[in-house]
Amino acid sequence: DAKTTQPNSMESNEEEPVHLPCNHSTISGTDYIHWYRQLPSQGPEYVIHGLTSNVNNRMASLAIAEDRKSSTLILHRATLRDAAVYYCILSLMNRDDKIIFGKGTRLHILP
Amino acid sequence: GAVVSQHPSRVICKSGTSVKIECRSLDFQATTMFWYRQFPKQSLMLMATSNEGSKATYEQGVEKDKFLINHASLTLSTLTVTSAHPEDSSFYICSALSSLGSGYTFGSGTRLTVV
Repeated sequence: DAKTTQPNSMESNEEEPVHLPCNHSTISGTDYIHWYRQLPSQGPEYVIHGLTSNVNNRMASLAIAEDRKSSTLILHRATLRDAAVYYCILSLMNRDDKIIFGKGTRLHILP
Repeated sequence: GAVVSQHPSRVICKSGTSVKIECRSLDFQATTMFWYRQFPKQSLMLMATSNEGSKATYEQGVEKDKFLINHASLTLSTLTVTSAHPEDSSFYICSALSSLGSGYTFGSGTRLTVV
């Protein structure tokens, strides 16, 4: 079973920031928090991952709660191309560790 | 960055025939790859873990004799859907954990339609 909980869908206006929440209350000390997104008819695309500290990359920022039981993916300035299903996933980050997808959050961007 | 190439992107086959889907890691070695399938408006469902040089590990409820997985090299895993039926029509996706530090990389998926 997926170990994360996300809202089914969210909406945001174009060029505004988007905060996508994820709850993972049963996270273990060695689980990394990953975010992937999937555009229609494509395979998932890596967005960002982190362990304890907040992380930034060119696509997004990841804010991790101090107790690690929740995290937030932040898209600083949403564009229409960011409309996708966003998945928050826990993984040990070793090559044999399978990742289980939850239902994700379908993000709609309004022009 | 890490790239996983999946072919074909689309395939239509007749009921009763077999279809092979290839998944290649282009710039890294993958001792383990994963196969998922996805029905419309649903999330990805893990089918099996493909292990280089050994047998695949199938998730509960996935028929290993129907979905044959071969991982003969460090850069190639194949999924063969045998004796395909219309209910096997789905979007099949492979993935691998890159050694390049960018998390799991996914193929672009294969849309299988069985008529």
